[in-house]
Amino acid sequence: RKEVEQDPGPFNVPEGATVAFNCTYSNSASQSFFWYRQDCRKEPKLLMSVYSSGNEDGRFTAQLNRASQYISLLIRDSKLSDSATYLCVVNIYGHTDKLIFGTGTRLQVFP
Amino acid sequence: NAGVTQTPKFQVLKTGQSMTLQCAQDMNHEYMSWYRQDPGMGLRLIHYSVGAGITDQGEVPNGYNVSRSTTEDFPLRLLSAAPSQTSVYFCASSYSPRSQNTGELFFGEGSRLTVL
Repeated sequence: RKEVEQDPGPFNVPEGATVAFNCTYSNSASQSFFWYRQDCRKEPKLLMSVYSSGNEDGRFTAQLNRASQYISLLIRDSKLSDSATYLCVVNIYGHTDKLIFGTGTRLQVFP
Repeated sequence: NAGVTQTPKFQVLKTGQSMTLQCAQDMNHEYMSWYRQDPGMGLRLIHYSVGAGITDQGEVPNGYNVSRSTTEDFPLRLLSAAPSQTSVYFCASSYSPRSQNTGELFFGEGSRLTVL
């Protein structure tokens, strides 16, 4: 079983739609959680950190469910410019921590 | 404001050749890492380091070596290149991977490697 799993999609949604992505992780001691965005042929960039109480940044809302070991990302009022791959990232706790990526969920927003 | 610098951006190798991908960061980050990205596989961790003199294996370490003699530099060596190592390689650094507030990974622009 992979340490971090995501639905690869693609999710094809019209402009203005609300779309949600989930990501599950296997290491119950994980302490940091992030969503990254990656545009085609570019490096990933941080979209937002995910806090235990949930957090919002404009049209984006991130949630953490420790009991079920998943994080989610909700995008409201989708824009064409939101088309990208969304990657969840989790620290895997061990004798040293490492940051592991999910395989990414591709989002395509159409007019 | 350099951030993370990776070189070269493109490289073509023949099977069996060796090479080193260079990575340098100027943010005084303790954590540095190398990922490879292949279609349908996402970003997979090759090796990582939590400080100078400390390295550890990630998910796919075979065929690669790393060293961390300084805080700034984290080179990745391909010992004997194979076609299966054709990929896009990203170097990334972070202040502290365990922290929500300081765990952000900063990436280089990537190195596209083709092994014939």
